[in-house]
Amino acid sequence: QQQVKQSPQSLIVQKGGISIINCAYENTAFDYFPWYQQFPGKGPALLIAIRPDVSEKKEGRFTISFNKSAKQFSLHIMDSQPGDSATYFCAASIQGGSEKLVFGKGTKLTVNP
Amino acid sequence: NAGVMQNPRHLVRRRGQEARLRCSPMKGHSHVYWYRQLPEEGLKFMVYLQKENIIDESGMPKERFSAEFPKEGPSILRIQQVVRGDSAAYFCASSPGGGYGYTFGSGTRLTVV
Repeated sequence: QQQVKQSPQSLIVQKGGISIINCAYENTAFDYFPWYQQFPGKGPALLIAIRPDVSEKKEGRFTISFNKSAKQFSLHIMDSQPGDSATYFCAASIQGGSEKLVFGKGTKLTVNP
Repeated sequence: NAGVMQNPRHLVRRRGQEARLRCSPMKGHSHVYWYRQLPEEGLKFMVYLQKENIIDESGMPKERFSAEFPKEGPSILRIQQVVRGDSAAYFCASSPGGGYGYTFGSGTRLTVV
């Protein structure tokens, strides 16, 4: 019940294309869903986050879509750029509880020029 | 603001030695979290601390691992009698509380030989 399942494991897109990464969860108590970007040798950096009271959140080229009934959420990267090549992690947590994040296993994104 | 500072960046230990990993949270952050990342895996929660208190250690192995966040000084993750399976990247994060504003450090890469 504490798992967050992420797919695909790896993704290759062409510059200018749309990258889509999907996550699914079981625990309906989760109420905070962040996405992290990690470059090799670095720590994860918060990219964008959503709460279940909204179905979509957009920040620049990055959009989170959230489907509460299906217990799924996804990250869309529009106009993907080579600089977006990184590993992306979805996560979930229960605010006001232990605050620990449960992470997906990650998606390695490669954007070809 | 220097961000979350972790040291050392790389640590090599022989089997049976002790490893000490240090984490200085961001200025103004009183909540510290430790995560472990195995190769090709997502981050796994280990422990959540506030000053002088362990709030949640549900992800910590029962033996050989301990963590502290003293009133003064950095948080320390201590691994006694290291084994090869302890080889991983260990990330520290801090937040001002409430589960928001998590900021990760660049990690300590532990190699046990």
